[in-house]
Amino acid sequence: GENVEQHPSTLSVQEGDSAVIKCTYSDSASNYFPWYKQELGKRPQLIIDIRSNVGEKKDQRIAVTLNKTAKHFSLHITETQPEDSAVYFCAARSRTPLVFGKGTRLSVIA
Amino acid sequence: GAGVSQSPSNKVTEKGKDVELRCDPISGHTALYWYRQRLGQGLEFLIYFQGNSAPDKSGLPSDRFSAERTGESVSTLTIQRTQQEDSAVYLCASSTRGTGDNEQFFGPGTRLTVL
Repeated sequence: GENVEQHPSTLSVQEGDSAVIKCTYSDSASNYFPWYKQELGKRPQLIIDIRSNVGEKKDQRIAVTLNKTAKHFSLHITETQPEDSAVYFCAARSRTPLVFGKGTRLSVIA
Repeated sequence: GAGVSQSPSNKVTEKGKDVELRCDPISGHTALYWYRQRLGQGLEFLIYFQGNSAPDKSGLPSDRFSAERTGESVSTLTIQRTQQEDSAVYLCASSTRGTGDNEQFFGPGTRLTVL
């Protein structure tokens, strides 16, 4: 089955700097790669996703890149703000339900 | 429209008791999932329902855990003879289909505390 590895587990950045979170997956048949943000005490919410026929997708300060050959994808947050502080989960799906990474706790220091 | 709802929001029980957690998915969503999230940890897949197909129970940690779903509506997760290690937030999610590029919408979760 699919296995998703995510790193780093924790990340601290200064406000205004960029943050990058990386994930690798094992199933070459996976074709959908979402990223979820979970604020403290709240439910995970989708922030951006990418399909396997696309290499990069951007939504304002957030971008995701996908390298299918290497089986890895990354989340990029530019001009970080304190409200970006949260736990971020990557996930991958092929023929099965989403398999999630273990999460990255991002702290943006004002 | 209404999102995924779960009840109760919090449940405190004594070790050895049975508990039942409820999930109401978004109307029209054929796929429903249960996850467990221990404090400060990731999302641990438990079980997946897709329409009338046999559920994928591959994530259930022991035979004390079971889940049912009536058609494409409400689901209940039952934990029998609860143990302290069962303490966690139990999250339910639903999507229009279980495969492909369909967003999973999460409920607010049920925080279970086993004393």
